[in-house]
Amino acid sequence: DSGVTQTPKHLITATGQRVTLRCSPRSGDLSVYWYQQSLDQGLQFLIQYYNGEERAKGNILERFSAQQFPDLHSELNLSSLELGDSALYFCASSVGVAGGLDNEQFFGPGTRLTVL
Amino acid sequence: GENVEQHPSTLSVQEGDSAVIKCTYSDSASNYFPWYKQELGKRPQLIIDIRSNVGEKKDQRIAVTLNKTAKHFSLHITETQPEDSAVYFCAAPNGKAAGNKLTFGGGTRVLVKP
Repeated sequence: DSGVTQTPKHLITATGQRVTLRCSPRSGDLSVYWYQQSLDQGLQFLIQYYNGEERAKGNILERFSAQQFPDLHSELNLSSLELGDSALYFCASSVGVAGGLDNEQFFGPGTRLTVL
Repeated sequence: GENVEQHPSTLSVQEGDSAVIKCTYSDSASNYFPWYKQELGKRPQLIIDIRSNVGEKKDQRIAVTLNKTAKHFSLHITETQPEDSAVYFCAAPNGKAAGNKLTFGGGTRVLVKP
């Protein structure tokens, strides 16, 4: 157990719908990262938040958005869902501050999204 | 930004043999290089990492080597066992500031045949 939690574990929805994925980082970690992993694909970086602020952005679609709340949990919102959005969505966290343990990232168990 | 290339994409070895996976990176300022193992349907798990002030690090049957001049690093698994079968990812950060995002290689699917 990495200490990173994600809910829900599985999500099945229809095209055009909107869903919210939730992530709670390890205690003490300030950075949260979101990744998308399609079937047999690598880890595609979507977005990073650090202490509530967006820090880095990857290939995140305009239909997707995220935020990090004052208690440091994060949510990833996916809207106007398409079949191709079906994937595993991972959240990871790290200490993320100067003088911290570098960039070690610890992954949550993931949310498997199926769009029908 | 950082670019990480990983080879091979698939690797099949006989149980007991060694497996080697190689990665190259582009940002000379990167100073931290982790390796993750991902079993089917599960989370990527950090198995070993190396920092730029050392050239090699070992942990039981796994080792990682780093060549900063050539900007490449490798994962070595000795005496492979069936439970080593998984996808392995290398990664490197964008620069050396703490908290920088990691760029991952494309992954290597390792199959250990009994």
